[in-house]
Amino acid sequence: QKEVEQDPGPLSVPEGAIVSLNCTYSNSAFQYFMWYRQYSRKGPELLMYTYSSGNKEDGRFTAQVDKSSKYISLFIRDSQPSDSATYLCASGGLYSSASKIIFGSGTRLSIRP
Amino acid sequence: DAGVTQSPTHLIKTRGQQVTLRCSPKSGHDTVSWYQQALGQGPQFIFQYYEEEERQRGNFPDRFSGHQFPNYSSELNVNALLLGDSALYLCASSWGDLSYEQYFGPGTRLTVT
Repeated sequence: QKEVEQDPGPLSVPEGAIVSLNCTYSNSAFQYFMWYRQYSRKGPELLMYTYSSGNKEDGRFTAQVDKSSKYISLFIRDSQPSDSATYLCASGGLYSSASKIIFGSGTRLSIRP
Repeated sequence: DAGVTQSPTHLIKTRGQQVTLRCSPKSGHDTVSWYQQALGQGPQFIFQYYEEEERQRGNFPDRFSGHQFPNYSSELNVNALLLGDSALYLCASSWGDLSYEQYFGPGTRLTVT
């Protein structure tokens, strides 16, 4: 079992829709949960990170962590064609010297105009 | 403020050869991590450098080695290249020991023929 599992998609939704992207993880020691956006042939871009359980909002993006079910979600409101990219979830401990960051395999998202 | 930079952008090598990839971290960052990203997969952690020493290593053979310089820039060396080493190699920088706020460079695409 991979430590972080992510549905590879592809996911295609119309412009303006709410998008829900999800991951599960298996390591209870993970404390930080990150979402990255990666455009084709580019490096990943950090969107936001969340500590432990709860929600965090940044503009049209909301990250949600449920540690009881080991479930990580990213919601995108009012989706735009420019949101079309691969979204990577990642998890790790607080200190990188003690805990590697583990990435999911990414979900490919396409927003149809 | 310059972000993470990597060179070269693309590289084509022959099986058995050696390659060196370079990374300059984001201004103010002192920690550099290297990742390998195969097509359709998430980044896989290779190793991390802090204060010119390898602090943590992923499941990669000794053919993968690195170095960090006093100015925090870093190199990734791969010896005896295999066809399976073809991938996007990503450098990420962060400050200190904090795992959750890593910033990635654009990557070096290595093709081994």
